Amino acid sequence: QQKVQQSPESLIVPEGGMASLNCTFSDRNSQYFWWYRQHSGEGPKALMSIFSNGDKKEGRFTAHLNKASLYVSLHIKDSQPSDSALYFCAVSMGTGGYKVVFGSGTRLLVSP
Amino acid sequence: GGIITQTPKFLIGQEGQKLTLKCQQNFNHDTMYWYRQDSGKGLRLIYYSITENDLQKGDLSEGYDASREKKSSFSLTVTSAQKNEMAVFLCASSIGDSDYTFGSGTRLLVI
Repeated sequence: QQKVQQSPESLIVPEGGMASLNCTFSDRNSQYFWWYRQHSGEGPKALMSIFSNGDKKEGRFTAHLNKASLYVSLHIKDSQPSDSALYFCAVSMGTGGYKVVFGSGTRLLVSP
Repeated sequence: GGIITQTPKFLIGQEGQKLTLKCQQNFNHDTMYWYRQDSGKGLRLIYYSITENDLQKGDLSEGYDASREKKSSFSLTVTSAQKNEMAVFLCASSIGDSDYTFGSGTRLLVI
């Protein structure tokens, strides 16, 4: 059964700093990967997806995927207080089983 | 734009009570999901449904029933609430394995 693990559990970065969130998965047949962000009192929202090995940049956010190393990461440049949230890594086999497995989350706090 | 609405936002129940949570979406998404969120444990899948009247069990289905009578709605029943249970139940919808759209959750407390 797919295991998705995130580290660290929590992270504090100063405003303007770089936040790095890590995620490992166990199944080598995993195909699709997402990062979701959840602000307090809200449901998670999809932040970005990555399907191919390498880096994908969207504004201040860069996702990195290395399927051979079973690893995906998210880097947030120039962190803002509004980035403070719970971040989930989500992994799918893409087999049409409609089951995306979520990690347990990294809580990011950006201190002003 | 579409919206996914969960009701109620807060639910206080008593031990042993049967409790029903509702979810409506107007994205015309085929697939809908119920997840349970506990602190430190991420999101765990309870039930999902790939079309009207379809139900598939997730990893945490014991103690729950679900119903998908219309494409736009998916309800979840806690069959017997456990004392001191506290969790957030999140509904989501998607087209296949695409991005999930989540509701804002129902917060359950059992006294």
